[in-house]
Amino acid sequence: KNEVEQSPQNLTAQEGEFITINCSYSVGISALHWLQQHPGGGIVSLFMLSSGKKKHGRLIATINIQEKHSSLHITASHPRDSAVYICAVKSSGSRLTFGEGTQLTVNP
Amino acid sequence: DTAVSQTPKYLVTQMGNDKSIKCEQNLGHDTMYWYKQDSKKFLKIMFSYNNKELIINETVPNRFSPKSPDKAHLNLHINSLELGDSAVYFCASSRGGGGNYGYTFGSGTRLTVV
Repeated sequence: KNEVEQSPQNLTAQEGEFITINCSYSVGISALHWLQQHPGGGIVSLFMLSSGKKKHGRLIATINIQEKHSSLHITASHPRDSAVYICAVKSSGSRLTFGEGTQLTVNP
Repeated sequence: DTAVSQTPKYLVTQMGNDKSIKCEQNLGHDTMYWYKQDSKKFLKIMFSYNNKELIINETVPNRFSPKSPDKAHLNLHINSLELGDSAVYFCASSRGGGGNYGYTFGSGTRLTVV
């Protein structure tokens, strides 16, 4: 069992829908990251969280340290949001452990 | 542009060859990483260097050897390439050895071994 589990693995939505991607982890962490990987392959860091909630535009990330759970929300989804969203946790040192990713497809 | 840049972007080579992937960052970060993304898109760390010193060395075959001539460069050399080495390799960097300020990723090198 992976130390970082994401759900769902695949998600298809209609433009405008509210989207939630979940991440659960089983180890002690100092930070949790949400990353975005577009079809072209590049990886972009969206959020780094150690507590609470962060918001950038239509993206919101929350973390509950006690429950070892984080969510990434996308409001008013758009086809350009179609990408793989990856949760990663920083535990010991500078090592990142990754979830398997959630493939999001937003249809017009 | 401030960035993490990897070269080449694509690399197709035959089994048994030796190849290198280069990575450079101009962000002033002092820690650099190599990650491997397999065919199922799963990312795993391979190596990490902090100020030219190796700090993470995962269970990776000896055929893989990272080299950091200075803290802005981390190259990956692979000897005797095998079919199973085909993957996308990502370089990344962070400020501080603990990555407490986030990570910046390169655009990846897609290695295909035939």
